[in-house]
Amino acid sequence: DVKVTQSSRYLVKRTGEKVFLECVQDMDHENMFWYRQDPGLGLRLIYFSYDVKMKEKGDIPEGYSVSREKKERFSLILESASTNQTSMYLCASRDRVFVVGSEAFFGQGTRLTVV
Amino acid sequence: DQQVKQNSPSLSVQEGRISILNCDYTNSMFDYFLWYKKYPAEGPTFLISISSIKDKNEDGRFTVFLNKSAKHLSLHIVPSQPGDSAVYFCAALPRGSARQLTFGSGTQLTVLP
Repeated sequence: DVKVTQSSRYLVKRTGEKVFLECVQDMDHENMFWYRQDPGLGLRLIYFSYDVKMKEKGDIPEGYSVSREKKERFSLILESASTNQTSMYLCASRDRVFVVGSEAFFGQGTRLTVV
Repeated sequence: DQQVKQNSPSLSVQEGRISILNCDYTNSMFDYFLWYKKYPAEGPTFLISISSIKDKNEDGRFTVFLNKSAKHLSLHIVPSQPGDSAVYFCAALPRGSARQLTFGSGTQLTVLP
C-alpha cells in the first residue's frame, strides 16, 4: 500500500519562527510536491522536485524554500513564518513515468497556524 | 489566471439522486484530467481520471465526461450517498509532462439523507 507521510498533523508557530514541514514517501517516486490549500483557492503548488537535489518553483514560492537530499524525503521550509502562511499544507508524490493511472498520492496534510 | 476552474464552490444533493460536478480549463495543452476527493483533515485521494483520447470513463458510481471542444469536464455520481460528502477537486496534466498537476478551487458536495 502506497504511503506519503507528513511529520505533523497540526502545528502552531509564532511569527518569525523558522518552520520545517517534513514529508516521506515509500513508493520510490521521482516527483514530489508541496501544495497549500486555502478556502476558495483550491490547491496551489508551492514547490516541486523531480529528482534528488533538484527543485522548481511552483505558483506561490515566495516565503518558502525546499530541500530534497534523499529521494524519499522532501522538506518545506518557512524561513520566517508569517500569519498569511497559516494554511493546510499537503505533500504529494508521483512517479516519473507518465502512464494512465499514475496519479499523485497525497499525505494527510499539516494544518499550520502562525500566531 | 486560473487554468482549471470549478465555478461552483458548493453543491447539495439528495441521497439517491445524481450529483454533477463541473470543471472548465483554458490550457489546450492539458490532455489528462483527474478528480480527487478530500475529507476534512485528510489529504486528497484519487477518484477517477480520463485521457483526452476518450470522452467518457466510468468506474462504478462515478463517471467522468470530457468535452474537449468546450474545454469542459464533469463528474457524475449516481446514486449519491451521504459518504460522498466531501470537497472534490478537478486537476489537469499537460501533454508531455509527468510533473505537476494543476488543480481547481474545489466543490464542496453535501449529500443530504
